[in-house]
Amino acid sequence: GAVVSQHPSWVICKSGTSVKIECRSLDFQATTMFWYRQFPKQSLMLMATSNEGSKATYEQGVEKDKFLINHASLTLSTLTVTSAHPEDSSFYICSARVSRGANLNNEQFFGPGTRLTVL
Amino acid sequence: GQNIDQPTEMTATEGAIVQINCTYQTSGFNGLFWYQQHAGEAPTFLSYNVLDGLEEKGRFSSFLSRSKGYSYLLLKELQMKDSASYLCAVWRVTGGFKTIFGAGTRLFVKA
Repeated sequence: GAVVSQHPSWVICKSGTSVKIECRSLDFQATTMFWYRQFPKQSLMLMATSNEGSKATYEQGVEKDKFLINHASLTLSTLTVTSAHPEDSSFYICSARVSRGANLNNEQFFGPGTRLTVL
Repeated sequence: GQNIDQPTEMTATEGAIVQINCTYQTSGFNGLFWYQQHAGEAPTFLSYNVLDGLEEKGRFSSFLSRSKGYSYLLLKELQMKDSASYLCAVWRVTGGFKTIFGAGTRLFVKA
C-alpha cells in the first residue's frame, strides 16, 4: 500500500512554455501533499505544501505565480511550472502523508519524481 | 529558521559498520527521519525517531538525542547496494507540518 505516482516521469520543453506535473496517491487519501525540488547532488528543497480544498502554502523564495499548485481532490495534486526557463530544470518530487489510520511514523510517501529539462 | 548538518561524503568497506551523524537546530521539532536515496530516484523511508534512544530495524539503526539536537544512522554489515545518499530530515510543526531535509551524506561502499 501507500503508493504515490507522478506523471510525467520526464519532460523536455522549450523556454517560455508551461509544464504540468501530476502527483497521485493511488491507494490512500492525502489531505496534504508536498512538492520538492532537487538539483544535482543537492538535497530536497521544500517548495510548497499542498492542502486539499485550500490554497497551497509556499516556502520563502518560491514564486507562487510561477509554480501553480492545485490540490483538487484527496488523491491528486498538480504543479504547473509557468513560463519555464532553463534555470527551472530540476528533479521535482512530490510526497503525501496518509490522512487516516495509524501513521505512527508520520511517514511521507514519495513519488518517483519528474525530471524537467527546459531548453 | 532551521539548520541541519551532516557530512557530505563517507566511504566504508563492504561488511563493515558505518555511522552517519546529523545535528540540527530548529523550532517546533517533532521528530527526525532518515531516508535513503539512490541517484535519480525518490527517497525511501528508513526510520523515524520521536523519543530519545535507539531504534533498531534489521541492519539499520537510528539514534536520537533531543536535548543535544543530534541523531545518527548506523548501518551494519554494509553491502554494495547501500551506496547511496542518506538524508536526515526534521519534522516540524511550526508554521504548519513540514519535513525539512539536510543536504544528505553520500555513502560509497567499496569492496
